[in-house]
Amino acid sequence: DGGITQSPKYLFRKEGQNVTLSCEQNLNHDAMYWYRQDPGQGLRLIYYSQIVNDFQKGDIAEGYSVSREKKESFPLTVTSAQKNPTAFYLCASSTGGGSYGYTFGSGTRLTVV
Amino acid sequence: QQQVKQSPQSLIVQKGGISIINCAYENTAFDYFPWYQQFPGKGPALLIAIRPDVSEKKEGRFTISFNKSAKQFSLHIMDSQPGDSATYFCAASIRGDGQNFVFGPGTRLSVLP
Repeated sequence: DGGITQSPKYLFRKEGQNVTLSCEQNLNHDAMYWYRQDPGQGLRLIYYSQIVNDFQKGDIAEGYSVSREKKESFPLTVTSAQKNPTAFYLCASSTGGGSYGYTFGSGTRLTVV
Repeated sequence: QQQVKQSPQSLIVQKGGISIINCAYENTAFDYFPWYQQFPGKGPALLIAIRPDVSEKKEGRFTISFNKSAKQFSLHIMDSQPGDSATYFCAASIRGDGQNFVFGPGTRLSVLP
């Protein structure tokens, strides 16, 4: 079955640590996205990539980094510079251009301990 | 200009009733308007979408009404069921622009048995 796999489902981070969230898709989609969701709030765009080896900052990129070395993979690193990283992180993909809707993964819940 | 406003923030409906969620946008360049359904701990899933060249789209119990002149669109859920209890997000995007996929803040729907 085609889809997006995010791992891990739950992640705990200590203060000052970098952590990497995995996102893999087998939909052959060109574009991939990372969103942050806080309780009771909408989705805010962190980074997006429309093609391999290229990505752009979204609205809240500070304290995050990404890479896009393969079409199928778009990992997100939450760095120690992100002061309030506790949130639900969602990865999505689309055929590109934003005109066909997104397919979302099941999310990773990150908690700072 | 990039915001999508959504109301109400929460909605309680009796089983069998009609649930109505409203969204409004400012950017007239938006040309794709999807609705997403999200269950707790899961990623959003595309429910139904409309383009501005039609005023209404129906899929089963779900209907989108679109008013281009007012820059508003709404989701109607007929014969609401307890299984429809979820958070609903409207969104708007511009074809060919991966960054301009804007989500509303969401509506938490509870359908009482």
